[in-house]
Amino acid sequence: KAGVTQTPRYLIKTRGQQVTLSCSPISGHRSVSWYQQTPGQGLQFLFEYFSETQRNKGNFPGRFSGRQFSNSRSEMNVSTLELGDSALYLCASSLQPAGGRQETQYFGPGTRLLVL
Amino acid sequence: QKEVEQDPGPLSVPEGAIVSLNCTYSNSAFQYFMWYRQYSRKGPELLMYTYSSGNKEDGRFTAQVDKSSKYISLFIRDSQPSDSATYLCAMPNQGGKLIFGQGTELSVKP
Repeated sequence: KAGVTQTPRYLIKTRGQQVTLSCSPISGHRSVSWYQQTPGQGLQFLFEYFSETQRNKGNFPGRFSGRQFSNSRSEMNVSTLELGDSALYLCASSLQPAGGRQETQYFGPGTRLLVL
Repeated sequence: QKEVEQDPGPLSVPEGAIVSLNCTYSNSAFQYFMWYRQYSRKGPELLMYTYSSGNKEDGRFTAQVDKSSKYISLFIRDSQPSDSATYLCAMPNQGGKLIFGQGTELSVKP
């Protein structure tokens, strides 16, 4: 079974631009979560989608948004990029909503975003 | 104060050593505890999952939970160079959000 795939793997943008990242979950998984990973803050939860609905949201500004399609693929968008948005963006999928007792999240390799 | 605290290291040990990785947490409502391993340029992968206080063993890895002290540990016996990675503790809060520790970078030298 193919794992979680994320595209693109690397991205360079300039301040003020917007970016869209894509995540394809493991086949059959309906929950997709997004995380931001930086050396200073570590892994921080952005949001989770389950069956096309946002189920949970982290403490990030409204510039960060996401959506999930009927095939469970998900995209996240960051508008008006800032230097501090440079990070590794990770997507994780699970069968059921994340955080449950027996629910395992499977992570993709991430998209490394550099904002200049 | 962060909900989950973890010493980022780096931690360097010789091959064959016993490694101890630790996390503390502040929210007594946390019920489940996970350890993820992240190799360079890869996403995290689930290593171990524990629910109750006590020990859980899986091969060379032992996860320990002390809910009274809000302290969890991961022990690696007979460490190998292939164990060199960043180890992250994580626990879901009541809302289902997974809260991660900072991650400890481990290097096992041959």
